[in-house]
Amino acid sequence: NAGVTQTPKFQVLKTGQSMTLQCAQDMNHEYMSWYRQDPGMGLRLIHYSVGAGITDQGEVPNGYNVSRSTTEDFPLRLLSAAPSQTSVYFCASISSTRFTEAFFGQGTRLTVV
Amino acid sequence: AQSVTQPDIHITVSEGASLELRCNYSYGATPYLFWYVQSPGQGLQLLLKYFSGDTLVQGIKGFEAEFKRSQSSFNLRKPSVHWSDAAEYFCAVGAIGYQKVTFGTGTKLQVIP
Repeated sequence: NAGVTQTPKFQVLKTGQSMTLQCAQDMNHEYMSWYRQDPGMGLRLIHYSVGAGITDQGEVPNGYNVSRSTTEDFPLRLLSAAPSQTSVYFCASISSTRFTEAFFGQGTRLTVV
Repeated sequence: AQSVTQPDIHITVSEGASLELRCNYSYGATPYLFWYVQSPGQGLQLLLKYFSGDTLVQGIKGFEAEFKRSQSSFNLRKPSVHWSDAAEYFCAVGAIGYQKVTFGTGTKLQVIP
């Protein structure tokens, strides 16, 4: 099993550019989440999804969009990148039938200049 | 709303010394509690978890944690620290039902010879 796969691993954007961070899981998990990690602030929830077609906002959703057309994929879109979005982004998935833990991808390090 | 507090931002211990990392949580019902470790440039790896039952849980790499409901705490311990334990440690609380996981701000562990 590959688990949770995030691409790309690194990305540099110019202010105002848009891009999509990809996240795919092969564990058939219903729940998927996006977090951003900033020094001294831990992991903060951006958006999450409880199943295909259902998404909701976390604590820091502004400037980000998500969609969930399939169980496997949960892409995160930056509409117009800003320097404040420079961060490390983690995707996670959790089983809905057996809540044991969150399985994380390796992260995407994004720099907005 | 659920929340997690890790009061120590940075801890330095000597190799071979014992370790205790503090975690306090706020949650309305019986929580699902986790400790994750993050090595530099890596994703998060689960160390241990508590759902119910025995309040002392054993994890990987020789770590253990004790759930104390009266103190709303879930402190992580290790009897003898190794240099390879240097990393950042995150405590997290989970809510069953929609599998939302809230993380603390992390404690960075430095191990000195």
